[in-house]
Amino acid sequence: DARVTQTPRHKVTEMGQEVTMRCQPILGHNTVFWYRQTMMQGLELLAYFRNRAPLDDSGMPKDRFSAEMPDATLATLKIQPSEPRDSAVYFCASGLGRQTQYFGPGTRLLVL
Amino acid sequence: DQQVKQNSPSLSVQEGRISILNCDYTNSMFDYFLWYKKYPAEGPTFLISISSIKDKNEDGRFTVFLNKSAKHLSLHIVPSQPGDSAVYFCAALYNNTDMRFGAGTRLTVKP
Repeated sequence: DARVTQTPRHKVTEMGQEVTMRCQPILGHNTVFWYRQTMMQGLELLAYFRNRAPLDDSGMPKDRFSAEMPDATLATLKIQPSEPRDSAVYFCASGLGRQTQYFGPGTRLLVL
Repeated sequence: DQQVKQNSPSLSVQEGRISILNCDYTNSMFDYFLWYKKYPAEGPTFLISISSIKDKNEDGRFTVFLNKSAKHLSLHIVPSQPGDSAVYFCAALYNNTDMRFGAGTRLTVKP
């Protein structure tokens, strides 16, 4: 039963600290997405990779957020420095296109 | 800029009755629409989709209706079951490149 995995599941940190979230996409999937879920905005797309190349990161605050895919089995989302307004649930999803995406369980981030 | 809107944050329905979740969009270029279901502490899971060339797609108890002229789609669940209680997200896709999600509707099905 192939699944997208995300670590950590929960993260509490202090403002100004670096946060790194990791995602292992489903083997064979060529697209990876990072989303942020907030109460007011629903699911916001932060970044989108196809074949490990970033295609769209327009939804991501460039000054503090960065997303990478060091290899086909790992995607990372980093926030440096973190701020309280970054508190949210961050989801990774993978797929073979955009039409059907398989989501991971999410990382719940709290920045104090 | 919320291009996909789910105006009802919550909905409560009695078991066995029909649940109708609504979604409105503003961009007429969207050509594919999806519904995702999300349980607490889990990621969203794909439920059902519809292409803009159709006005209805049915899968078991779930039916999605699309009204392009009104830029409106709806998800019907009949009969509703307690296990359907979850948050439902509507999503719209344009040219397989730009996907937007609504804010979600929390459905509660009471026994």
